[in-house]
Amino acid sequence: AQTVTQSQPEMSVQEAETVTLSCTYDTSESDYYLFWYKQPPSRQMILVIRQEAYKQQNATENRFSVNFQKAAKSFSLKISDSQLGDAAMYFCAYRRGETSGSRLTFGEGTQLTVNP
Amino acid sequence: DGGITQSPKYLFRKEGQNVTLSCEQNLNHDAMYWYRQDPGQGLRLIYYSQIVNDFQKGDIAEGYSVSREKKESFPLTVTSAQKNPTAFYLCASRQYSPASYGYTFGSGTRLTVV
Repeated sequence: AQTVTQSQPEMSVQEAETVTLSCTYDTSESDYYLFWYKQPPSRQMILVIRQEAYKQQNATENRFSVNFQKAAKSFSLKISDSQLGDAAMYFCAYRRGETSGSRLTFGEGTQLTVNP
Repeated sequence: DGGITQSPKYLFRKEGQNVTLSCEQNLNHDAMYWYRQDPGQGLRLIYYSQIVNDFQKGDIAEGYSVSREKKESFPLTVTSAQKNPTAFYLCASRQYSPASYGYTFGSGTRLTVV
């Protein structure tokens, strides 16, 4: 079974600084997708960024970027120029390739605090 | 606007009662999912359905039941067999195609046993 591990229950960062959230996963599949979701106090799940395993290039979305290390099964999220609105719970998630089903497996989450 | 509607937002259950959480989507998505969220444990999959009249157990299906009689609806029943049902429940949906990466989530239902 696939597992996703986030070893940092809580992280904090100063406004305008950079922070990196860690995520590791375990899978024997070669075709899969990885995601970072943000859950603010409203508890609405918001997709931050995604990475296809077959792509070597790391995904970026504005201030958010990932460091995808396929051999190490590591998928960290870097938030640059942190803003107060970035404060939220962040979840790393894994999904197998399309032919193997579509369920998302989540990590335990990292609570990010942004200090003014 | 298309989206997922979960109701009610807050639900209180007495010991021994069954309760049903509603999840309705108007996105024409094929697949629907139910997750349970507890502090420090992330989201855990309860049940999911990829087509109408078919569904599969997730990791924590004991004490729960679902139905998928219509494409747009995927209600979750929390039965009296679920010993610790107090949690936040999230419903999600997805278009089942290789080009579709996105999952749409509802706003959740907070269930409390009283």
